[in-house]
Amino acid sequence: QVQLVQSGAEVKKPGASLTVSCKASGYSFKSHGIGWLRQAPGQGLEWMGWINGYNGHTNYAQALQGRITMTRDPLTSTGYMELRSLTSDDTAVYYCARDRSGYEDDAFNLWGQGTMVTVSS
Amino acid sequence: DIVMTQSPASLSVSLGERATITCKSGQSLFYSSNNKNYLAWYQQKPGQPPKLLIYWASTRESGVPDRFSGSASGTDFTLTISSLRAEDVAVYYCQQYHTTPHTFGQGTKVEIK
Repeated sequence: QVQLVQSGAEVKKPGASLTVSCKASGYSFKSHGIGWLRQAPGQGLEWMGWINGYNGHTNYAQALQGRITMTRDPLTSTGYMELRSLTSDDTAVYYCARDRSGYEDDAFNLWGQGTMVTVSS
Repeated sequence: DIVMTQSPASLSVSLGERATITCKSGQSLFYSSNNKNYLAWYQQKPGQPPKLLIYWASTRESGVPDRFSGSASGTDFTLTISSLRAEDVAVYYCQQYHTTPHTFGQGTKVEIK
């Protein structure tokens, strides 16, 4: 079955770091990139960045530069997104998504189920 | 960043009637090298991740009903649901993937009148 399965919900304190995982199955992991997106409660979608499944090349949103790191492990077909120095503004549902073609400039046609992250003291 | 302006914010349509959502990009999303507009439409139902409906502005994703269609004119893009069904109640987003960050419109909530 072609799917992306994300890690479970997290509660973090301000200043902490977060890592969300995204395990792919049912397709060739190296043939597609993984994008990370988030959606604050009741809000729209924000593109956070993208990682190439083949060579690990990354492209991050400027607004998150310095706080975000995306990695991937082709051996386990898993992508990871780490976000540091969390604030309440980082409270959101985080999604991983697969691009259609393996190229960065493409739409996402497979999504994970989402990971709810709450940042609160 | 490319600003994507969607309208309306919400839309009430009777079952079987047409629903039309527009999205205007702040700059061209067209590449002449491949003659494509880098614009996608997604459907999101409550508690679910988004689902890709349309890419390249007008290409329907596999499995998407043909009542969904997309079109483009310059920097103006349209998603049309030709005959609204109850299962189409959702929020619809446009997304440009021409230039990073790949920005989204604010969303359009479609409801049954």
